[in-house]
Amino acid sequence: NAGVTQTPKFRILKIGQSMTLQCTQDMNHNYMYWYRQDPGMGLKLIYYSVGAGITDKGEVPNGYNVSRSTTEDFPLRLELAAPSQTSVYFCASSYLTGGNTIYFGEGSWLTVV
Amino acid sequence: EDQVTQSPEALRLQEGESSSLNCSYTVSGLRGLFWYRQDPGKGPEFLFTLYSAGEEKEKERLKATLTKKESFLHITAPKPEDSATYLCAALGSGNTGKLIFGQGTTLQVKP
Repeated sequence: NAGVTQTPKFRILKIGQSMTLQCTQDMNHNYMYWYRQDPGMGLKLIYYSVGAGITDKGEVPNGYNVSRSTTEDFPLRLELAAPSQTSVYFCASSYLTGGNTIYFGEGSWLTVV
Repeated sequence: EDQVTQSPEALRLQEGESSSLNCSYTVSGLRGLFWYRQDPGKGPEFLFTLYSAGEEKEKERLKATLTKKESFLHITAPKPEDSATYLCAALGSGNTGKLIFGQGTTLQVKP
């Protein structure tokens, strides 16, 4: 059982470039999330989705976009990358809205230079 | 504004030296307080859920407790393999499942 799979693991972007972080889960979870984690700052919610076709902003959505066309996939799009988007990105999914059912991917390390 | 604060930021212990990690929260309509373990280069892994003041949960050398303002993660006789970053998160009112995370405590246990 793969759980939550994120790609790529590492990426270096130049300022102004765009890219998509891929996330897929095989647990048939309705809820999916994108977090970013900066050193000493904890995890901040970027976007979340409560089901296919439904997405909403989290705490720090500026500079990002998401889509949820299927239950399994929740890609995160970075438009016009900026150095402030250098971070570790975690995708997560859950069956219910409780934190005890949330499963995280292994993270994507993004550097914008 | 809902907020979760963890202390200390970093903690170094000798093997067998017990201690506690603190998680203070200000969250309206708390629906759950969660503890996670995060190893370097990995995503957070769920440890405990606490729902109401006075509740306690245990797992091996870890015990989590909850009051109306704080949660503690007590580590008894830690071993080097307990070294990790420990995150707490709070789930407030609403139905979106949005967790508010603290900044984490990085624990290092030396043999």
